Amino acid sequence: KAGVTQTPRYLIKTRGQQVTLSCSPISGHRSVSWYQQTPGQGLQFLFEYFSETQRNKGNFPGRFSGRQFSNSRSEMNVSTLELGDSALYLCASSSRTGGNEKLFFGSGTQLSVL
Amino acid sequence: SQQGEEDPQALSIQEGENATMNCSYKTSINNLQWYRQNSGRGLVHLILIRSNEREKHSGRLRVTLDTSKKSSSLLITASRAADTASYFCATDPNSGGSNYKLTFGKGTLLTVNP
Repeated sequence: KAGVTQTPRYLIKTRGQQVTLSCSPISGHRSVSWYQQTPGQGLQFLFEYFSETQRNKGNFPGRFSGRQFSNSRSEMNVSTLELGDSALYLCASSSRTGGNEKLFFGSGTQLSVL
Repeated sequence: SQQGEEDPQALSIQEGENATMNCSYKTSINNLQWYRQNSGRGLVHLILIRSNEREKHSGRLRVTLDTSKKSSSLLITASRAADTASYFCATDPNSGGSNYKLTFGKGTLLTVNP
């Protein structure tokens, strides 16, 4: 079974631009979560999608958005990039069949905003 | 804010020694999980302990959970250089499962010297 795939692996953008990151979950997993990881704030929860519906959202501004497609693949978008958005963005999937689920993480997208 | 807080922030030991990391959290939980992250990569799930469990073993890993103190510990026995990584605890809030969100601590950086 293939793992969680995130593309691209590295991304360099300038302030004010927007960016779209992609995540393909493990086959059969319907829940996809996104996290932002920075040295200062650690791992911060962005949002979680299940069957194309956003079920939970972290404390991030509206510039951060996401969506999930019918095949469970997910994208997240960050508009009007700021220097502080530089981070490792991690996607994780789970089967979410009944609680007590572990997350399977991708290798992340390292975003640098110049 | 972070739900889990690991202690210590950094730990350096010699190969063959045991490593103990602690995690404290603030609210009631459904389960507590430990993850490992090699530098700049995705997280790998190590072990999950449910709120009604007190201790769990997996290979060289031993996890304890004290819900009265809202704390957990991860013990790695007979450490190896390959165990060098950051270790995170993550809590699954006792929220009924419909608004799933895993909250991570800031991690303990473990260095195992050969």
